[in-house]
Amino acid sequence: DQQVKQNSPSLSVQEGRISILNCDYTNSMFDYFLWYKKYPAEGPTFLISISSIKDKNEDGRFTVFLNKSAKHLSLHIVPSQPGDSAVYFCAASARNEKLTFGTGTRLTIIP
Amino acid sequence: DADVTQTPRNRITKTGKRIMLECSQTKGHDRMYWYRQDPGLGLRLIYYSFDVKDINKGEISDGYSVSRQAQAKFSLSLESAIPNQTALYFCATKAANTGGASGGYTFGSGTRLTVV
Repeated sequence: DQQVKQNSPSLSVQEGRISILNCDYTNSMFDYFLWYKKYPAEGPTFLISISSIKDKNEDGRFTVFLNKSAKHLSLHIVPSQPGDSAVYFCAASARNEKLTFGTGTRLTIIP
Repeated sequence: DADVTQTPRNRITKTGKRIMLECSQTKGHDRMYWYRQDPGLGLRLIYYSFDVKDINKGEISDGYSVSRQAQAKFSLSLESAIPNQTALYFCATKAANTGGASGGYTFGSGTRLTVV
């Protein structure tokens, strides 16, 4: 039972435009949501997070939006840059315990 | 040196063989985790440990065992490897007192295991 879902396995975006990556979850006990970025041959690295008591968190070019009623979150990257090409994983945790990951979205930024 | 070191980086082994993947960390973190990554399935939790005497099964622990030899070392064993255990394996660490929103998790670079 996939508690965290990323329905788009891949996404291509023109450099300079906005990239929007989506994530849905089913477990209402999740209280933190995180985005990780992964390059080939490397481990995932933390990108940005949001608490369930907020609906938006911004860090430079990256913004995460949370819609609790829809159990949906999204990551916006603007403007998109070639170095943003990577696999992005959505993850969630409950009570600061283990992370549950989504299946990942491969983002390709087209120069 | 990396904060979280996984060895080996790549390994090819035969069906039925026993294999151990090792993870060591210099972060001083209490919590350690083993995940596997498969195409289209993301990262799935195999085992996790909150301290040396606290070992917990994750969502896909069958066919695996772990040992927390010290705070800094957490090894994953496949007692009798099978082809569907071919995957990319990641170790991660986290300090117990860091909040969930901080990210807090540090991942190793992964071990690519192929069972033939």
